[in-house]
Amino acid sequence: EAGVAQSPRYKIIEKRQSVAFWCNPISGHATLYWYQQILGQGPKLLIQFQNNGVVDDSQLPKDRFSAERLKGVDSTLKIQPAKLEDSAVYLCASSLIEGMNTEAFFGQGTRLTVV
Amino acid sequence: GNSVTQMEGPVTLSEEAFLTINCTYTATGYPSLFWYVQYPGEGLQLLLKATKADDKGSNKGFEATYRKETTSFHLEKGSVQVSDSAVYFCALRDDKVIFGPGTSLSVIP
Repeated sequence: EAGVAQSPRYKIIEKRQSVAFWCNPISGHATLYWYQQILGQGPKLLIQFQNNGVVDDSQLPKDRFSAERLKGVDSTLKIQPAKLEDSAVYLCASSLIEGMNTEAFFGQGTRLTVV
Repeated sequence: GNSVTQMEGPVTLSEEAFLTINCTYTATGYPSLFWYVQYPGEGLQLLLKATKADDKGSNKGFEATYRKETTSFHLEKGSVQVSDSAVYFCALRDDKVIFGPGTSLSVIP
C-alpha cells in the first residue's frame, strides 16, 4: 500500500516570497492533516480536513497560510508571504476516518527554509 | 487545554540498557494515547497506542501503560538496540491530536 506522498522534500525561499506544498494521502483516507514541526519541537496541527471540508483550522495563521482539498483527495498548503519563523518541516498525515482510536499515517514532510 | 509533557533529552544509553521515557498529559476528556517514532531521515511512524485506562500498548519490545490516576503513558523497553536511536513523541487524541516536544534517544554500542 502506498504511503502519504509529499512534495517537494526540500524548499529554500527568501522571506516575503510564496511557497506551496502538495500532499497525496493514502487512497480512501477521508481525514487529512497538515502539521508544522519546528526544529526541536513536536508537530503542531495547522489544519484538519474531513473529505473536502475543514474540521479544525484554529491554529492556522490565516493571514498568510491557506490550504485546500478541493476534491477530497490531495491537498495543497500555501504560505504567502513567508516569514523567517516559518522555517520548519511541514508534515501531511491521513487517517481512514475521524475517530479517537484511528491511527494517522505521516508523509516524510517538506523541509522549508526561509532566508 | 489539552497538553503533553515529555522528559527532556537527549537520552544516551548503551546497547542492552533499560529505557524509560516519561510522558504525562493533561486532558479534559478521555483521550487515546500514542507513541510515535521518527527515525533519522524518515517520517513519523506509530509505535504503539492505548485507547483507555489500564490498556497496555506494545510493539517491537516497547511497552506503555495508560495510567489515568497519574495521567501518564511512560514508554519502556527492557533492552535497547542501536537501531532504536530515534526521536520519540508522545501524543494524545481527544478532538485533535496533540504531540509532546519529543525525546531524542541515542544508543551506543
